[in-house]
Amino acid sequence: GQNIDQPTEMTATEGAIVQINCTYQTSGFNGLFWYQQHAGEAPTFLSYNVLDGLEEKGRFSSFLSRSKGYSYLLLKELQMKDSASYLCAVRAAYSGAGSYQLTFGKGTKLSVIP
Amino acid sequence: GAVVSQHPSRVICKSGTSVKIECRSLDFQATTMFWYRQFPKQSLMLMATSNEGSKATYEQGVEKDKFLINHASLTLSTLTVTSAHPEDSSFYICSAQGGDRPYEQYFGPGTRLTVT
Repeated sequence: GQNIDQPTEMTATEGAIVQINCTYQTSGFNGLFWYQQHAGEAPTFLSYNVLDGLEEKGRFSSFLSRSKGYSYLLLKELQMKDSASYLCAVRAAYSGAGSYQLTFGKGTKLSVIP
Repeated sequence: GAVVSQHPSRVICKSGTSVKIECRSLDFQATTMFWYRQFPKQSLMLMATSNEGSKATYEQGVEKDKFLINHASLTLSTLTVTSAHPEDSSFYICSAQGGDRPYEQYFGPGTRLTVT
């Protein structure tokens, strides 16, 4: 089965740093994604990890430990516009014809306060 | 690049009618398209996976006769919600896979369906 856990909600202050954790147990692993989703909108891609370690991309960084089934998304210099849900997704299942399915966690709603 | 569109963005229909949602990859050929449903404050739940020219593969618990998926070309997939009921009201999102980065999924903007 597939199980992806992340905190439901978090609150952080503008200008601060916040870390959103994600743990997973999946049958198979072909990469982990982080998406940002504002209310009523579709997810937008933030980061992708397939090997252990840290991937940095501007204010956003993502870390992966495959042996621990663990990832985190780090957001620095928080801005009010970063208030959104952050979805952790694992690419595990091969669905044929060269395509892979994503299994999503329930998302972490981040509120950035002044 | 890798733009995916959905139409309509919002639709309100009466109970018992059918609604068709289109998903298009605008600048790449999508060998695979995925359809998701998202209820309020919930995550995306995969409904089905469709490959161009073949029948869609539905996830457990998703009625294939109620949610008809057609992937007739490499740039278009449609989801038809037949005999819609209020409990079908949800946010439906498609994603497409293909192009220069064939293992990535590019999401459409979503369709908000309300069944009255």
